[in-house]
Amino acid sequence: DQQVKQNSPSLSVQEGRISILNCDYTNSMFDYFLWYKKYPAEGPTFLISISSIKDKNEDGRFTVFLNKSAKHLSLHIVPSQPGDSAVYFCAASALYNYGQNFVFGPGTRLSVLP
Amino acid sequence: DSGVTQTPKHLITATGQRVTLRCSPRSGDLSVYWYQQSLDQGLQFLIQYYNGEERAKGNILERFSAQQFPDLHSELNLSSLELGDSALYFCASSVEADELGELFFGEGSRLTVL
Repeated sequence: DQQVKQNSPSLSVQEGRISILNCDYTNSMFDYFLWYKKYPAEGPTFLISISSIKDKNEDGRFTVFLNKSAKHLSLHIVPSQPGDSAVYFCAASALYNYGQNFVFGPGTRLSVLP
Repeated sequence: DSGVTQTPKHLITATGQRVTLRCSPRSGDLSVYWYQQSLDQGLQFLIQYYNGEERAKGNILERFSAQQFPDLHSELNLSSLELGDSALYFCASSVEADELGELFFGEGSRLTVL
């Protein structure tokens, strides 16, 4: 039972255009969401986060949008650069969940074409 | 460099064997998490330790065990290995046990079971 879903295993985008990566979750207790980026042969690195009290958070070229009613979040990368090519993991956490802290989605492989 | 160190980076062993993966968290981090990433799968949470005590347990098999030592490094022990245990095993650390923030990941240990 996947609590965090990333339904697009892969995405290709032209350099300079917008990349939109989507993530859906099923557990309404989740109230904090994170995106991680992973290059081959490296561990995932934190990219950006958003708490459920917000619907948008920006950091440079990266913006995360949260739609709580739809249990959906998305990561926008504008403009996309070839160095953004990586696997992106969406993760969710529940503040008062004493158990598993972070649940990760299966990842979306982004390819930014020059 | 996340500050999280995992050894070994690569390990090849045979079915039925036992291996130990080691993780040194970032300096000052008290919480250690272990994740498994099988081929084309997302990050599956295995277990979390906080300051030497088991904090949360995920989908960890009974053949697997972990511990966190007084110096805060952690070891993940995998026994009676099966072909399906071949995966990347990531360790991550954070300052607190239930912190809503970043996890810092190591580069992973790639286990191949033949």
